[in-house]
Amino acid sequence: AQTVTQSQPEMSVQEAETVTLSCTYDTSESDYYLFWYKQPPSRQMILVIRQEAYKQQNATENRFSVNFQKAAKSFSLKISDSQLGDAAMYFCAYRWAYGNKLVFGAGTILRVKS
Amino acid sequence: GAGVSQSPRYKVAKRGQDVALRCDPISGHVSLFWYQQALGQGPEFLTYFQNEAQLDKSGLPSDRFFAERPEGSVSTLKIQRTQQEDSAVYLCASSLIIQGNTEAFFGQGTRLTVV
Repeated sequence: AQTVTQSQPEMSVQEAETVTLSCTYDTSESDYYLFWYKQPPSRQMILVIRQEAYKQQNATENRFSVNFQKAAKSFSLKISDSQLGDAAMYFCAYRWAYGNKLVFGAGTILRVKS
Repeated sequence: GAGVSQSPRYKVAKRGQDVALRCDPISGHVSLFWYQQALGQGPEFLTYFQNEAQLDKSGLPSDRFFAERPEGSVSTLKIQRTQQEDSAVYLCASSLIIQGNTEAFFGQGTRLTVV
């Protein structure tokens, strides 16, 4: 069974600084997708960034980028120029390429200090 | 609709009551998912529909949980004889298809509290 581990229950960052959230996963599959979701207090999960396992190039979306290390099964999220609106719970998630369900980690609470 | 809509947003049930949670997916979305999110945890998969067909119900925790999507659009998650451990946020998500890195769009969830 696939598992996703987020070892940082909580992180803090100063506004305008950079923060990295960690995620590791375990799978025996070679084709899969990885995602980072943001969940603000409204509870609605919002997709931040996604990565295809077959792509070596790390995904980037504006201030958000990932460091995908397939051999190490690591998928960290870097947030640059942190903003107050980035404060939320962040979830790392995995989906097998031929499956349907997302497998989530336990989440990391990100606090942004002004 | 503009997004995935779930109702009610909050539900308090007495232990032993039956509850029904509704999900209105984005119009035209073929795939629909239910997840259960306990307090302080990540969502856990409950069940998956492709149109009206329930293709995966491996995550349903007991036979007290039942989901349906009879016309391939609106879905209802029913919990019979609720117990305290059923207290959680129930999230619904939909996607156009479920291939590749297709994005799943989530609703705001229903927070169920069993007292």
